[in-house]
Amino acid sequence: DAGVIQSPRHEVTEMGQEVTLRCKPISGHDYLFWYRQTMMRGLELLIYFNNNVPIDDSGMPEDRFSAKMPNASFSTLKIQPSEPRDSAVYFCASSTSLHGGMNEQFFGPGTRLTVL
Amino acid sequence: AQSVSQHNHHVILSEAASLELGCNYSYGGTVNLFWYVQYPGQHLQLLLKYFSGDPLVKGIKGFEAEFIKSKFSFNLRKPSVQWSDTAEYFCAVINTGRRALTFGSGTRLQVQP
Repeated sequence: DAGVIQSPRHEVTEMGQEVTLRCKPISGHDYLFWYRQTMMRGLELLIYFNNNVPIDDSGMPEDRFSAKMPNASFSTLKIQPSEPRDSAVYFCASSTSLHGGMNEQFFGPGTRLTVL
Repeated sequence: AQSVSQHNHHVILSEAASLELGCNYSYGGTVNLFWYVQYPGQHLQLLLKYFSGDPLVKGIKGFEAEFIKSKFSFNLRKPSVQWSDTAEYFCAVINTGRRALTFGSGTRLQVQP
């Protein structure tokens, strides 16, 4: 298995532009998570899906952020408009529903976003 | 709300020294516990996990952790570190109320040859 795939790996954009991050989870996994890593706040959950349905989006910073999962093999995280404070590494992770949905999560390589 | 505390933010050791990184969590219900490692420029990888059973769990690369329920702790240990263990280590917890990981702030380990 190729693991969790994220694209792009690096993104540099200017303030005000729209940014779309993409994730392909491991086949057969029914949980998908988006996390953000910054120096100031560490690793924090943005949103997670179960069977393509958003379950908890309480970590989404504001209306500029949106996430979708149109099918079991694809998810997007969109920022519109982007701001310099959105600069971070965005990780996607997936897991199975074993252990009551509290199973280990497999992480993608991350997307390093820089907003100028 | 659940929280995870890692008390050591930056640890510097010489090769062959023993390692213990502290982790405490705040949730009183059923939890699963994890340690993840992030090597420089890489993504998070699972070191070990605890779901139930023997509170002493062994992971990859000679790491182990002990779950002490009464202390809400899950400390990571390694008897003899190597230069290649230089990385950032994250303790994480997941509970029945929320299927997402709550991470500690991380411990940056630097092993000097």
